[in-house]
Amino acid sequence: QTVVTQEPSFSVSPGGTVTLTCGLSSGSVSTGYYPSWYQQTPGQAPRTLIYGTNTRSSGVPDRFSGSILGHKAALTITGAQADDESDYFCMLYLGSGISVFGGGTKVTVL
Amino acid sequence: QVQLQESGPGLVKPSQTLSLTCTVSGGSIGSGGYYWSWIRQHPGKGLEWIGYIYYSGSTFYNPSLKSRLTLSVDTSKNQFSLKLSSVTAADTAVYYCASRRGSYYYFDYWGQGTLVTVSS
Repeated sequence: QTVVTQEPSFSVSPGGTVTLTCGLSSGSVSTGYYPSWYQQTPGQAPRTLIYGTNTRSSGVPDRFSGSILGHKAALTITGAQADDESDYFCMLYLGSGISVFGGGTKVTVL
Repeated sequence: QVQLQESGPGLVKPSQTLSLTCTVSGGSIGSGGYYWSWIRQHPGKGLEWIGYIYYSGSTFYNPSLKSRLTLSVDTSKNQFSLKLSSVTAADTAVYYCASRRGSYYYFDYWGQGTLVTVSS
């Protein structure tokens, strides 16, 4: 069974930069997995940030960017703000109609 | 802009069938281009993709739920539905419906979610 891996947590200072990653239990993530990223605050539905590796969803600030770094997908927050404190989930399309979410990364801004 | 709204019982007894409906507004399910999706989130945990259905009725299910899962679509009502049979406490979760862009493999619009508790 394929597992999508994410760091459990990250801390970033206001104005700082943090890069979250999204990997596979076996193999490398490429654009062909169509990585997407979602932000979720407690009690709210997820908000779509990035799709197709690096395309920002409508209304998403440009301080959020997506990429492939090495063998993983990555979400970088540049100039972190207090309201970026959230859980971040990546999702990969594995083919044959199957999508899998990562376990999520809790980002603290302090 | 597409809006989605989940509805259904908030409490289901163990061994029974969990049934939820998602009503779509601001867009037509029958127009194609989207896969209509269900995702759930166990309390305090991550997201789990449940499955998708296309307006034609084609379905894709999470292999771990496939034996208990049925998705259906009613284009006349602009709704799609989920049925999960033989539920246990492990099926207690917030259930979200969402739209997945056909060729981009991501969820763009989400419902607000509905908590379903499995308990006697």
